[in-house]
Amino acid sequence: EAGVTQFPSHSVIEKGQTVTLRCDPISGHDNLYWYRRVMGKEIKFLLHFVKESKQDESGMPNNRFLAERTGGTYSTLKVQPAELEDSGVYFCASSQQGRGSYEQYFGPGTRLTVT
Amino acid sequence: AQSVTQPDIHITVSEGASLELRCNYSYGATPYLFWYVQSPGQGLQLLLKYFSGDTLVQGIKGFEAEFKRSQSSFNLRKPSVHWSDAAEYFCAVGASGKSTFGDGTTLTVKP
Repeated sequence: EAGVTQFPSHSVIEKGQTVTLRCDPISGHDNLYWYRRVMGKEIKFLLHFVKESKQDESGMPNNRFLAERTGGTYSTLKVQPAELEDSGVYFCASSQQGRGSYEQYFGPGTRLTVT
Repeated sequence: AQSVTQPDIHITVSEGASLELRCNYSYGATPYLFWYVQSPGQGLQLLLKYFSGDTLVQGIKGFEAEFKRSQSSFNLRKPSVHWSDAAEYFCAVGASGKSTFGDGTTLTVKP
């Protein structure tokens, strides 16, 4: 069974540019989460999709971040325009419905560097 | 709101020695607790989880953790560390559909 995949693995962009990160969850997992780790600090929750609906986006830092999950399969996270403080590692995770929803499977992350 | 504290930023142990990584949590109800490991260049791998029942849980790679409600702790242990255990370890509490992580503890293993 394929795990959670993320693309790209690394991205280096200049301040003001746009970047789109992609996450493909485990097949059949309705729950999809985005997290971010900035500057070696704790991993912080960004948002949670259930299928194509945003269940909780309380962790999104500001309106420069836009997440979508069309069709309830893969998800994208767009940062526009990127700022220096957006640098970090962006993790995606997925989980099943029900009690299994708490067991999240993480992807390898996308390391974003904004210069 | 839930929170997780990992008091040790960095721990160094000798190969073959025992290991204990500390984790304290704050949560109003019975928590779902997790330990993850991240090796360089890899994603987060689940080591073990506690949902309910036996407070001593076994995980992969020879790790175990003990849930102590009275101390709000979920410490990770391994009797004998291997060089391949060098990595960053994260404790997390799950609630309301999302996980809250500690800052992580980096483990260095001396030969």
